[in-house]
Amino acid sequence: AQRVTQPEKLLSVFKGAPVELKCNYSYSGSPELFWYVQYSRQRLQLLLRHISRESIKGFTADLNKGETSFHLKKPFAQEEDSAMYYCALQPGGGADGLTFGKGTHLIIQP
Amino acid sequence: GAGVSQSPSNKVTEKGKDVELRCDPISGHTALYWYRQSLGQGLEFLIYFQGNSAPDKSGLPSDRFSAERTGGSVSTLTIQRTQQEDSAVYLCASSLAPNQPQHFGDGTRLSIL
Repeated sequence: AQRVTQPEKLLSVFKGAPVELKCNYSYSGSPELFWYVQYSRQRLQLLLRHISRESIKGFTADLNKGETSFHLKKPFAQEEDSAMYYCALQPGGGADGLTFGKGTHLIIQP
Repeated sequence: GAGVSQSPSNKVTEKGKDVELRCDPISGHTALYWYRQSLGQGLEFLIYFQGNSAPDKSGLPSDRFSAERTGGSVSTLTIQRTQQEDSAVYLCASSLAPNQPQHFGDGTRLSIL
């Protein structure tokens, strides 16, 4: 069975500082990896997925198959980035639900 | 257009009662998913529909849980003889196809007294 680990429950950084939210996974096949974000009082929404290789709101994430990691990074944090961030995995092919990590609460201090 | 819609948004009921939760996916989305979000367990996947059929029901926590989808659209998640450990936020998501990004609803917050 697959597993997603987000080691930090809470991460607090100052505005303008770099941010890295860690995500490690275990899965025997080729997974699809996602980052979802939930802002205060809003629904869970997709931030980015590894196959699209986009940068959304300044965030990027690179899939490292050797280290089985999919860390989320942003060079300069902004106050509006404060939210819960969830890393998620879906088996290749997509015919299954997402396996989520427990989430990291990111707080950007002014 | 409208996103995924779930009702009710909040449900408080007594232990032992049955509850029915509803999900209206985005129009045209063939895949539909149910998840549960609770304090101790985080976000856990319950069941997935492609069209009206659910290929794998093993994610449902117990045989008190059932789900159906009719007309390739609306889905209901039913919990019979509710227990206190069923208290959680139940989230529904839909996607255009199984390998496409999932769009989530606001969830139903279920509280069992």
